[in-house]
Amino acid sequence: EIVLTQSPATLSLSPGERATLSCRASQSVNTYLAWYQQKPGQAPRLLIYDASNRATGIPARFSGSGSGTDFTLTISSLEPEDFVVYYCQQRSNWPPFTFGPGTKVDIK
Amino acid sequence: EVQLVESGGGLVQPGGSQRLSCAASGFTFSSYSMNWVRQAPGKGLEWVSYISSSSSTIYYADSVKGRFTVSRDNAKNSLYLRMDSLRDEDTAVYYCARDRLPYGNNVGWLDPWGQGTLVTVSS
Repeated sequence: EIVLTQSPATLSLSPGERATLSCRASQSVNTYLAWYQQKPGQAPRLLIYDASNRATGIPARFSGSGSGTDFTLTISSLEPEDFVVYYCQQRSNWPPFTFGPGTKVDIK
Repeated sequence: EVQLVESGGGLVQPGGSQRLSCAASGFTFSSYSMNWVRQAPGKGLEWVSYISSSSSTIYYADSVKGRFTVSRDNAKNSLYLRMDSLRDEDTAVYYCARDRLPYGNNVGWLDPWGQGTLVTVSS
């Protein structure tokens, strides 16, 4: 089973700042990595798939990069609604699909 | 509008059973693979089960294998999860989630998700 680790666990930033979230896989997942956003009390929402493709309706301030074992989600300029939790997920070697433990972006 | 609506959650005793449903609308349900994902209170996401569009391929997480059964009724646009021998650690919000693309393309990217239904296993 591929294990995903995310860092940092919590990222404290101010609105307008750039956020850089990391996801590392225990073995190569090529570019079979996705990012999800989860707001409190809501279901997760797909942001990025195949490491760098934005899902439908996702603002351009969200971008993904990486391949192999190291991936990054970048939010270029944080909006108030972006201060929530983000998860990475792999589909390279499944089942199972596995998720990272999440990174919480909170207001500094 | 694409919509997934889960139902069937509630309080169940350890060792008991529960059946969850997911009603789909706004898309051709029979063309898409579906998944169940759960989230324990205050915890992260755990994939539970996958079923292909025709039900020909089914997978489970090791943590539920032999206890949970996924099924679907394409005529009713519905997905189901039968949960038996429930344990305290099965307490979670259960989400149904659709594959992003139909016909088995891009399997595993989950979009959209339903709002979830809470299953609480407790005596």
